[in-house]
Amino acid sequence: GEDVEQSLFLSVREGDSSVINCTYTDSSSTYLYWYKQEPGAGLQLLTYIFSNMDMKQDQRLTVLLNKKDKHLSLRIADTQTGDSAIYFCGDAGGYQKVTFGIGTKLQVIP
Amino acid sequence: DSGVTQTPKHLITATGQRVTLRCSPRSGDLSVYWYQQSLDQGLQFLIQYYNGEERAKGNILERFSAQQFPDLHSELNLSSLELGDSALYFCASSDGEQVNSPLHFGNGTRLTVT
Repeated sequence: GEDVEQSLFLSVREGDSSVINCTYTDSSSTYLYWYKQEPGAGLQLLTYIFSNMDMKQDQRLTVLLNKKDKHLSLRIADTQTGDSAIYFCGDAGGYQKVTFGIGTKLQVIP
Repeated sequence: DSGVTQTPKHLITATGQRVTLRCSPRSGDLSVYWYQQSLDQGLQFLIQYYNGEERAKGNILERFSAQQFPDLHSELNLSSLELGDSALYFCASSDGEQVNSPLHFGNGTRLTVT
């Protein structure tokens, strides 16, 4: 079945760039998503990339996709304390069902 | 605000009991998804409904069941509850039609089984 893996924790200093990595196994993925979860809240869509794209940039966010290696990354430029949250990588296969990783907790140190 | 409403926000119950979690999808969305989030398992897909019909099934236990009603709201029923069922249960919705239509999540129901 599908599997999505992420590292559990990342700590960066305010103003630095953060890079959160994800690997997935489903070769039929159509879209790959990044969601953000703040404490006590649901998942909020940050950005997504179509599986035939290599890169997508959206303001401070850059998504890189290596389809050959099934590797996805999210780069956050100029990381702020408000970026502290759990980030989930999601892999959309058939019928829009999204398989998520365990989530990477980003801690931003002032 | 995602437009997805989940009730109740918190639920505390005892082992062996049965509970029902409720979800109202975003206006216009036909598809509803249920996910379970626990500390050690991350976000696990349970089940998906589209316009009242079951569309995909994930790691949902036999003690759990769900349905989507004609008005498109959905309920997740959890029975014979065990301590390990304590988790955050999320509902999400999407239009169910467009391939790139993302999921919109509610704020979850926190279930504590004592």
